[in-house]
Amino acid sequence: EAGVVQSPRYKIIEKKQPVAFWCNPISGHNTLYWYRQNLGQGPELLIRYENEEAVDDSQLPKDRFSAERLKGVDSTLKIQPAELGDSAVYLCASSPGAALSYEQYFGPGTRLTVT
Amino acid sequence: DAKTTQPTSMDCAEGRAANLPCNHSTISGNEYVYWYRQIHSQGPQYIIHGLKNNETNEMASLIITEDRKSSTLILPHATLRDTAVYYCIVRVLIQGAQKLVFGQGTRLTINP
Repeated sequence: EAGVVQSPRYKIIEKKQPVAFWCNPISGHNTLYWYRQNLGQGPELLIRYENEEAVDDSQLPKDRFSAERLKGVDSTLKIQPAELGDSAVYLCASSPGAALSYEQYFGPGTRLTVT
Repeated sequence: DAKTTQPTSMDCAEGRAANLPCNHSTISGNEYVYWYRQIHSQGPQYIIHGLKNNETNEMASLIITEDRKSSTLILPHATLRDTAVYYCIVRVLIQGAQKLVFGQGTRLTINP
């Protein structure tokens, strides 16, 4: 069974440019998470989806970050415009159900460098 | 959120047992302890979790003290592939869903 797929794996952009990350969760997983991981730190949750609905986006910087999960499967996280401080690894994770499953399955992440 | 405290780094010889400690003195009675690890350039990987009793699976064992204020993850026969950052996490339930709050973790290095 394929795991969580993310693309691109690496992205280098100049500040003020837009960028988008794509995630394909494990088939059948209703819950999808986006995390940001700064260098030397643990991942921090940005947003959680239950199917198409964003049920926890309290940590998402809404002035420049946006996310969508059309049809409750794939998801896209966007930053516009990017700032130097957005350089980090962006991780996507999925689970069969937020309240039912104890395990989150993580993708390999997208490493973003803003210059 | 219950916070966890872990040593920043540890070393272990290949083939020996690696014992990773974690303090969670403010844990509530219904909060679970989770362990994840993150190998370089990969996403975190679930290892094990527990509430009160000791747990064992194919990857590791989890020993939780009787007062639940601390726990130890044991990798019984460490290999070079176990070199990773290990995160001890207390799961928090928010709006009926689990939320993993990661700390900085312990960087475990397995030496040949």
